[in-house]
Amino acid sequence: GAVVSQHPSWVICKSGTSVKIECRSLDFQATTMFWYRQFPKQSLMLMATSNEGSKATYEQGVEKDKFLINHASLTLSTLTVTSAHPEDSSFYICSAAHTRRGIGYEQYFGPGTRLTVT
Amino acid sequence: AQSVTQPDIHITVSEGASLELRCNYSYGATPYLFWYVQSPGQGLQLLLKYFSGDTLVQGIKGFEAEFKRSQSSFNLRKPSVHWSDAAEYFCAVGPRSNDYKLSFGAGTTVTVRA
Repeated sequence: GAVVSQHPSWVICKSGTSVKIECRSLDFQATTMFWYRQFPKQSLMLMATSNEGSKATYEQGVEKDKFLINHASLTLSTLTVTSAHPEDSSFYICSAAHTRRGIGYEQYFGPGTRLTVT
Repeated sequence: AQSVTQPDIHITVSEGASLELRCNYSYGATPYLFWYVQSPGQGLQLLLKYFSGDTLVQGIKGFEAEFKRSQSSFNLRKPSVHWSDAAEYFCAVGPRSNDYKLSFGAGTTVTVRA
């Protein structure tokens, strides 16, 4: 099946520093990847859509200068949290769209990255 | 506006008993439908999906779901629950296009008691 990895699985950083999270589709090419944020006991909140070779599309209310997204290849998208603050602490999950031949698609999810900003 | 409703926030079920999780959606046209499961601290795993055809779809781990167009529902079922089924379950819908963007329900937490 389609596998998506994320790195790191958890990270602790100091306030004011930047953190990069990588999302890779291991066995398929993903022209479209998504970045989500999840708060405890809540559903996933879509932050942005990442398309290979083009600028990311951010959801309303998400600061694009704070959450930098790069989709440099068909298997890699990165999310950089710039000048992180404690309120950015969260569980970040990426997914990659896998299209089905002829009809449909699925999103395959990475295992998530727990970010803690101290 | 698109919306996905999972009416049950938390369900407790005995091991071996049946389980049904409800999902209703509001969408402009019949969307693609998905159920995902999330174990604590993990990403989401796809249980099953509906694109077209047979309205009763089979998934992994013994789960099945039935699409009912008249009720705009896509309820998830399992005949006999195992302790390992304790997790968070999310219903999601997506457009029949190359958008691929999913809308998620709030999730249902399933607790399995011995």
